[in-house]
Amino acid sequence: ELKVEQNPLFLSMQEGKNYTIYCNYSTTSDRLYWYRQDPGKSLESLFVLLSNGAVKQEGRLMASLDTKARLSTLHITAAVHDLSATYFCAVGQGAQKLVFGQGTRLTINP
Amino acid sequence: DVKVTQSSRYLVKRTGEKVFLECVQDMDHENMFWYRQDPGLGLRLIYFSYDVKMKEKGDIPEGYSVSREKKERFSLILESASTNQTSMYLCASSLLREGPYNEQFFGPGTRLTVL
Repeated sequence: ELKVEQNPLFLSMQEGKNYTIYCNYSTTSDRLYWYRQDPGKSLESLFVLLSNGAVKQEGRLMASLDTKARLSTLHITAAVHDLSATYFCAVGQGAQKLVFGQGTRLTINP
Repeated sequence: DVKVTQSSRYLVKRTGEKVFLECVQDMDHENMFWYRQDPGLGLRLIYFSYDVKMKEKGDIPEGYSVSREKKERFSLILESASTNQTSMYLCASSLLREGPYNEQFFGPGTRLTVL
């Protein structure tokens, strides 16, 4: 059974600092996604990672994938308040399904 | 842009009522999904459908059923609502039957309260 664990679950940080969210998963998969959710809103896709060593970057966010370690990271560089949200990783299971992590609630304080 | 819409943003029902949640996608996607989202538990898959009239159970199907009579529409049914079904319900769709680029696109969610 595929299990996906994120840590930390809550993260409060100051603007300008760097931090990393970790996503571990228990069985082999061919795809991993990162999503963002703002309060009261739905999930918005951020990144799709498909191969070992894949790295994707968008603004201050960078995601990477190590399939051998079954680990993905979402790195935040020089955080700004607008990045405050809940971030989910999701790992592919079978052809269609995704298994989601618990989510990391990120709060960035001025 | 893919658009996934859900019939209600907020819904309040009484215990024992039959509840219908509807989801429509406008991009001819093959797969559609229903999740519930609860604090600290992430998203959990209730049911999904990979074709019209085809469905598969997800991780937590008990107390729910689904219907997909048309490709663009996927309904979640609570036959007899209970208080433990109070939750946020999210619908999603994805384009392909299979393959790595099978990103899921989400609707705005329905917050259901069962009294």
